Amino acid sequence: SQQGEEDPQALSIQEGENATMNCSYKTSINNLQWYRQNSGRGLVHLILIRSNEREKHSGRLRVTLDTSKKSSSLLITASRAADTASYFCATDAQGSAGGTSYGKLTFGQGTILTVHP
Amino acid sequence: DGGITQSPKYLFRKEGQNVTLSCEQNLNHDAMYWYRQDPGQGLRLIYYSQIVNDFQKGDIAEGYSVSREKKESFPLTVTSAQKNPTAFYLCASNKQGAGETQYFGPGTRLLVL
Repeated sequence: SQQGEEDPQALSIQEGENATMNCSYKTSINNLQWYRQNSGRGLVHLILIRSNEREKHSGRLRVTLDTSKKSSSLLITASRAADTASYFCATDAQGSAGGTSYGKLTFGQGTILTVHP
Repeated sequence: DGGITQSPKYLFRKEGQNVTLSCEQNLNHDAMYWYRQDPGQGLRLIYYSQIVNDFQKGDIAEGYSVSREKKESFPLTVTSAQKNPTAFYLCASNKQGAGETQYFGPGTRLLVL
């Protein structure tokens, strides 16, 4: 079963607006990562946030992590038509001994973002 | 020009045929991964390898096989036992495998004739 569940499944906005996507997960994690995928292409890494971090920024991207609620959000500010893509969260779940799961990321089903010019 | 390359971009398989998807990286990464993506879905892990000559099954390994004879290469074979192979296949790698950022290739789309 999928570890990450993303919400909404699809989001349509106008250029210049902010876009917020949410990700919920089920088990304890070492880190949570956000990736972007343009149609028919490979994934591109956006941000990695570790379990002891609450917020991270990268350019127009802001990611928050609430481990008590097992949820994360990705905010894209001042969106552009070029931001149109699918966005996935991926979790690195803690192993049974509390260590790493050896890089076995578990991906959500993604949010399809469409930014209209 | 460093990165991960996958070939071919499109691959057609006939019934009962085994096909092999290529994945090569020149990033000096230790760990490599194969994922399958179905339309409108996230990625599911097929196989992964943390070091040369070693690999582990992921969540959906049935009908697939891999080898890791060289650090740079991690080919995936889709066998005739995989009854529903039509999908987008993505290869990824990272330096130490322990949940760090993964770098993805451009993908191979496999279609059944």
